[in-house]
Amino acid sequence: QKEVEQNSGPLSVPEGAIASLNCTYSDRGSQSFFWYRQYSGKSPELIMFIYSNGDKEDGRFTAQLNKASQYVSLLIRDSQPSDSATYLCAASRGAQKLVFGQGTRLTINP
Amino acid sequence: DAGVTQSPTHLIKTRGQQVTLRCSPKSGHDTVSWYQQALGQGPQFIFQYYEEEERQRGNFPDRFSGHQFPNYSSELNVNALLLGDSALYLCASSPGTGRYEQYFGPGTRLTVT
Repeated sequence: QKEVEQNSGPLSVPEGAIASLNCTYSDRGSQSFFWYRQYSGKSPELIMFIYSNGDKEDGRFTAQLNKASQYVSLLIRDSQPSDSATYLCAASRGAQKLVFGQGTRLTINP
Repeated sequence: DAGVTQSPTHLIKTRGQQVTLRCSPKSGHDTVSWYQQALGQGPQFIFQYYEEEERQRGNFPDRFSGHQFPNYSSELNVNALLLGDSALYLCASSPGTGRYEQYFGPGTRLTVT
């Protein structure tokens, strides 16, 4: 079992709709969770982080964490073509190493 | 405020050679981590430096070594290069002091022929 798992996709969403990305993790000691966006040929860009159970909103992005179910999600509202990218979920024990999933490729269709 | 910088951008080496990659963290960040990303995969943790010491290491052979300097910049050295070392090498910095977010530099694309 991988430590962090994501559906590799591709996930196709129409422009203006809500994109929902999911991630599960196996290490119950994980305390911090991150979503990175990575465009083809570029490095990962941090877009959201969440440390406590519940929802965290930042603009069009909402991160959701459920530690009991070991589940993290990212919602992107009003999806734009520029949101088309690979989204990486990562978990860590505090300041320690990030453990990444394999990424979900998201395509927003105009 | 400059972000994380890495050099060089691209590098082509031959099997058996040695390579050094460099990273400067964001201003105010004291922790540097290195990751290797193969095509189509998530980044894999190599090691992390804090206060010039290797604080944590991933499952990479001893051919991979590193260093952190007093100004918090860091180097990644890889000896005896193998074809399988071809990847994007990413440096990430974090601010420490109870904040765990890691910010990545643009990466160095290493090709081993």
